[in-house]
Amino acid sequence: GQNIDQPTEMTATEGAIVQINCTYQTSGFNGLFWYQQHAGEAPTFLSYNVLDGLEEKGRFSSFLSRSKGYSYLLLKELQMKDSASYLCAVRDDAGFQKLVFGTGTRLLVSP
Amino acid sequence: DTAVSQTPKYLVTQMGNDKSIKCEQNLGHDTMYWYKQDSKKFLKIMFSYNNKELIINETVPNRFSPKSPDKAHLNLHINSLELGDSAVYFCASSHRARQGSEKLFFGSGTQLSVL
Repeated sequence: GQNIDQPTEMTATEGAIVQINCTYQTSGFNGLFWYQQHAGEAPTFLSYNVLDGLEEKGRFSSFLSRSKGYSYLLLKELQMKDSASYLCAVRDDAGFQKLVFGTGTRLLVSP
Repeated sequence: DTAVSQTPKYLVTQMGNDKSIKCEQNLGHDTMYWYKQDSKKFLKIMFSYNNKELIINETVPNRFSPKSPDKAHLNLHINSLELGDSAVYFCASSHRARQGSEKLFFGSGTQLSVL
């Protein structure tokens, strides 16, 4: 079966660092994606991991441990505009881009 | 210059009606998808087409019928709408590339409300 778990909601303060965790149990694994979704808008791509380790992209970093079925998204120097839902998604099929999404983590950044 | 565009953005209709949502992408992608996002924000794949061929069909009631006239378009027709169909429907596209990092580009969503 497919199971992807994330915390439902997190809060943080502007300028701080926040880590959003994702654990997964899927029938196959061919990469893990993080997407950002602002309220009422479409999800947009943030990061991709397929090998173990940390991928850094500006204020955002994503980590993967395949043996533990675990990933996290790290957001540094939080800004108000980072208030959004963050969706963890696992691709379980090498050929067809089938992404299985978690329920998302709603992050609220306060002043 | 919208990459993935879907219409309408809002759709309010009565139970039992038939409705369609249209999607078009100008990114030159060969694969398109329909995702459903429920009230709990859970995003789940419904269908995927690659070069007009259906490649993913996720146990969706056959009241839902996707149609892809060409690889730039994927429309979704829903017959006999039910209350439980109320959700936000997202169209997406990607390129079925050799590299695994190919990401999805989503349309802005269609909020369907069935009364």
